[in-house]
Amino acid sequence: TQLLEQSPQFLSIQEGENLTVYCNSSSVFSSLQWYRQEPGEGPVLLVTVVTGGEVKKLKRLTFQFGDARKDSSLHITAAQPGDTGLYLCALTSYGKLTFGQGTILTVHP
Amino acid sequence: KAGVTQTPRYLIKTRGQQVTLSCSPISGHRSVSWYQQTPGQGLQFLFEYFSETQRNKGNFPGRFSGRQFSNSRSEMNVSTLELGDSALYLCASSPLAGGTGELFFGEGSRLTVL
Repeated sequence: TQLLEQSPQFLSIQEGENLTVYCNSSSVFSSLQWYRQEPGEGPVLLVTVVTGGEVKKLKRLTFQFGDARKDSSLHITAAQPGDTGLYLCALTSYGKLTFGQGTILTVHP
Repeated sequence: KAGVTQTPRYLIKTRGQQVTLSCSPISGHRSVSWYQQTPGQGLQFLFEYFSETQRNKGNFPGRFSGRQFSNSRSEMNVSTLELGDSALYLCASSPLAGGTGELFFGEGSRLTVL
C-alpha cells in the first residue's frame, strides 16, 4: 500500500488550461513537500506546507494543505509548456522522505 | 554555490557485473540520500548517510550498499547486477538528516543493465 496516493497519474492539456493534482494519505502528516522534476533533471522543491488549511501561492501555482492534514492539492492556472514535468508530493515518514508515484503533466503549445 | 554532482551520468553494464556511483553533495551538507527511480515504482529510498554513518536504509537487497567519506562525498555500489536494476539513481543532499528538510537532488546516474 502506497503511503501517498497521487492522482491523476497522467495529465495532458493545452496551453492556457487550468489543472489540479491531488496527493492523499490515510494517515495524518505533519508537513508535506511538493517537488517538480523536469526531463533529465533531479526533482526540485516547490513548496513545503505545514499547517492544516494552509494555502501557498507560487506565481501561477497554488498549493493547499487539507484541514485534516491528510491531503494536499496543487492547482496550476493557465498552464504553459514550461510547466511540463513530473510533480511529486513527499512526506517524512520513519526518518526518510517518502514520495508519491507522481503526476506526469504535459502541456501542449 | 555548486549543486549536487553525480557521476557518471550514464552507464551500461551487463548482468552479473557491479557498478559504483558517486555523489558530491552541496558544500556544508552532511546528509546524503540515495533514491532509485523507475517508471513502475517511482522514487524509492535506498539509504541515507550522515557524517559517515548510515542512518536509514530502504527495502532493497544487500547487493545495494553505500558509504560516505569524511568530506561528505558518497558512493553507492550495486553488485551482481540484474536487469531490474536498470533505473535512474538519484542522490540528494541536505543540511538536515532524516528527510526533515529540503532535499537537493543531483541530475542522476542512469544505469542500463543488459
